[in-house]
Amino acid sequence: QVQLVQSGAEVKRPGASVRVSCKASGYTFTDYYLYWVRQARGQGLEWMGWINPISGTTDYAQKFQGRVTMARDTSINTVYMELSSLTSDDTAVYYCGREMVVLGANQLPLDHWGQGTLVTVAS
Amino acid sequence: SYELTQPPSVSVSPGQTATITCSGNKLGDKYVSWYQQKTGQSPVLLIYQDSDRPSGIPERFSGSNSGNTGTLTISGTQTTDEADYYCQAWDSSTPIFGGGTKLTVL
Repeated sequence: QVQLVQSGAEVKRPGASVRVSCKASGYTFTDYYLYWVRQARGQGLEWMGWINPISGTTDYAQKFQGRVTMARDTSINTVYMELSSLTSDDTAVYYCGREMVVLGANQLPLDHWGQGTLVTVAS
Repeated sequence: SYELTQPPSVSVSPGQTATITCSGNKLGDKYVSWYQQKTGQSPVLLIYQDSDRPSGIPERFSGSNSGNTGTLTISGTQTTDEADYYCQAWDSSTPIFGGGTKLTVL
């Protein structure tokens, strides 16, 4: 079965960087785009960007451009999201999600999600 | 920037039909998806391309989209359906989420 397993919770100081990993299994890693979405406590979902696992091509939400980097390692079916210059506003649960595939369609939703990684930014 | 607006909360009695709306400019020209998120859990995809259900999603979850409003309908609502529900559409190449609706079943 499809699984996306994320790395564990992190506590970071303001100004630091954090890297969250997302290991995929149960499907062909290179067949599906992977997305990152975050959710602050009690708030809604916020798209951060996506990565194409085949090419490594990325697209980032304008809000995070310059601060976020997404990468992949196809040898271990894992994608990474690194966010720099952290502030308390970055305290949130970070999710990876797999974009579903429907023949002939694009811009599809996320049909599988990781369990989430809590990133806490505090001094 | 494009916005999707959902009511913050909806209440329904068990066994009744719950309707959750999602409003956006000319939303009917886009595809709408819906997610369910229970407390402390990751989102689950319920509906994609306005009205299609992924495998494993019960038939009592249905969706529609026309004009400026997308709608998620839950028939025969169960207490286990109590959760936050999010709509999602695409604006150009950007996925946009609604603010979420808390469904209370009581």
